[in-house]
Amino acid sequence: GAGVSQSPSNKVTEKGKDVELRCDPISGHTALYWYRQSLGQGLEFLIYFQGNSAPDKSGLPSDRFSAERTGGSVSTLTIQRTQQEDSAVYLCASSLDTGSNEKLFFGSGTQLSVL
Amino acid sequence: SQQGEEDPQALSIQEGENATMNCSYKTSINNLQWYRQNSGRGLVHLILIRSNEREKHSGRLRVTLDTSKKSSSLLITASRAADTASYFCAYSAGNNRKLIWGLGTSLAVNP
Repeated sequence: GAGVSQSPSNKVTEKGKDVELRCDPISGHTALYWYRQSLGQGLEFLIYFQGNSAPDKSGLPSDRFSAERTGGSVSTLTIQRTQQEDSAVYLCASSLDTGSNEKLFFGSGTQLSVL
Repeated sequence: SQQGEEDPQALSIQEGENATMNCSYKTSINNLQWYRQNSGRGLVHLILIRSNEREKHSGRLRVTLDTSKKSSSLLITASRAADTASYFCAYSAGNNRKLIWGLGTSLAVNP
């Protein structure tokens, strides 16, 4: 596709369940980022991929959060044993990874609601 | 905290007026970017200004950067109702690849 695609767009789950969020970046973009945004807040960095490796996982809030990227393309963010405080919009972005002066292209996000 | 700060938090203006949003930061930066977000979902890149640039234009947008004051401003001229959105600044510093984001300015342009 022409843009970054995220699925599902909305996810409602019960506390304690596991969820998997998917991001399909723009073709050819080697850098991929996951962010989290709570209502009315700025973006909270979670993890960054360069190709299939994750040089920076510093933003993952706990060991319940994990992410992987395969084939240098699609990435999945998994949250195990979800908690109510995990409710937020999860945003994925990709870029050409040409250096520090790069702009990010964002998907439309996944709205996660943990009941 | 390294988080950028934006002001005002919210801004309400009439169509045709200019809107100015400010972003301040605390470290030396490589570049600073402005993004727009509609309805709390995906963000759209507006403009990037490098640390050695002072002003940049893109259509009705004008961005300035003052590295001595560690601040940037985004000016939207002749605003339209369709400009209603949240605007975020984000900057990169050092070798760190992750952008540091401000909390955003919520702009409402009233017809």
